[in-house]
Order: sequence, then structure tokens, then C-alpha cells
Amino acid sequence: QSVLTQPPSVSGAPGQRVTISCTGSRSNIGAGYDVYWYQQLPGTAPKLLINGNGNRPSGVPDRFSGSRSGTSASLAITGLQAEDEADYYCQSYENSLSGPNYVFGSGTKVTVL
Amino acid sequence: QVQLVESGGGLVKPGGSLRLSCTASGFIFSDYYMTWIRQAPGKGLEWVSYISTSGSDTNYADSVKGRFTISRDNAKNSLYLQMNSLRAEDTAVYYCARDPCGGDCYSADYWGQGNLVTVSS
Repeated sequence: QSVLTQPPSVSGAPGQRVTISCTGSRSNIGAGYDVYWYQQLPGTAPKLLINGNGNRPSGVPDRFSGSRSGTSASLAITGLQAEDEADYYCQSYENSLSGPNYVFGSGTKVTVL
Repeated sequence: QVQLVESGGGLVKPGGSLRLSCTASGFIFSDYYMTWIRQAPGKGLEWVSYISTSGSDTNYADSVKGRFTISRDNAKNSLYLQMNSLRAEDTAVYYCARDPCGGDCYSADYWGQGNLVTVSS
């Protein structure tokens, strides 16, 4: 059971805009902790897509953007392309007695129609 | 370029032990926190453990606490995960990853290729 909640799937036609929501709580996103987004292409390791300050690492196309509000965050993909078909995960962290714990979303599969 | 290469996975019986290794290159290993993240077959990502630059600070997910131990050897640019008392639910691909900050980012900017651990009799 994932701490952060994402829709299992979203889909869109090439060129369309899709968004993926990531719902947390006051213990993680709502506490102001950074939110990260990862893309996992089939059979490969995850790749950092959006870092904690909402920026894209070098090489990530500008059609990917992240935002946050309250206890939630969102990833938007504009101008959807066939190569964007992948699983996407949000991630933040929360504090425990032993120290920070990374928390992940349940993952969203993006299908390009 | 940054590279993380895991080794040591395989098939182990329930209750058994396994040690994963991750060799880093392309960056100053001792400057970065490191982490292990796993993914059960067909499932999502689950954080396992992180370790500070010196190794003095570590933390574990509740699911592995008391059974797994993370460590590092900065002289060898290597990260380790000692896994004891393995259970079927520990079956997963294990990724080592680099935390992008010197600490307190608690995320992963570079990932290894992953190493499959299968716990089965």
C-alpha cells in the first residue's frame, strides 16, 4: 500500500496534454517536503524527470512539468509523444522517529492512443 | 558519466542471506548519500534504506528493519546491502541509487540497472 496515491492509468492521443495527480498528506507533501517525479520505461530503471524544486534535469524535454498545491502534486505532459508511454511515479519523504523515509506513489501507466 | 553497477543478486531460500553490492563511478562517491530502492515483480517502487556520506547515519523501511544492513566503503566506491532472514515478499529487483544532494534531498537522481533477488524454496 503506497503512501502517495496516483491514478492507475491515464491515456491520451499524440499531441494532447495529460496530467497525473499525486495525493499525499500533511506528513509528506503537505509538510512542504520536496516532490520528485520518475519515468520508468518498460524493462528499464526509473529515471528522474522532475526534481524537488520543480525543475527538469538536463536532457528532460520541456513538455514535462511539475506543480504542487497543499497535500498534492501533479505532473503534466504536453504534446504527448509515443515515447512517453511509460510508468510514472511521484516521490516525497516524511519524518519518522528513526529519520526521513522516502515515500513513493503507487505509479501511473501512461498510454498513448 | 555517472554509473552505478549492482551485483550479488540471485535465488535464495526463505530464511537465507544475500549481500548486494553497487560499484559507483563518474562522481565523487564519498560526497553523496546513497540509497536502495526495490520493485517487486509487476509492482511499484518501494524505498529500502539510505546511508549518509560517512556511513554514520542510516535508516530503513519498517519492512526490512532488523533484517537488512546498509553499508559503504568510500575507498572502494562501493555500496552494500546485507539481507538476512529473507522472506518471499523480499523478492524484487533491487536498485542502488544516488541521492542528488550531500544530504537531506531524500531522492534519487541516478539509478543502477537493477539486480533481481528471488526468495523461493
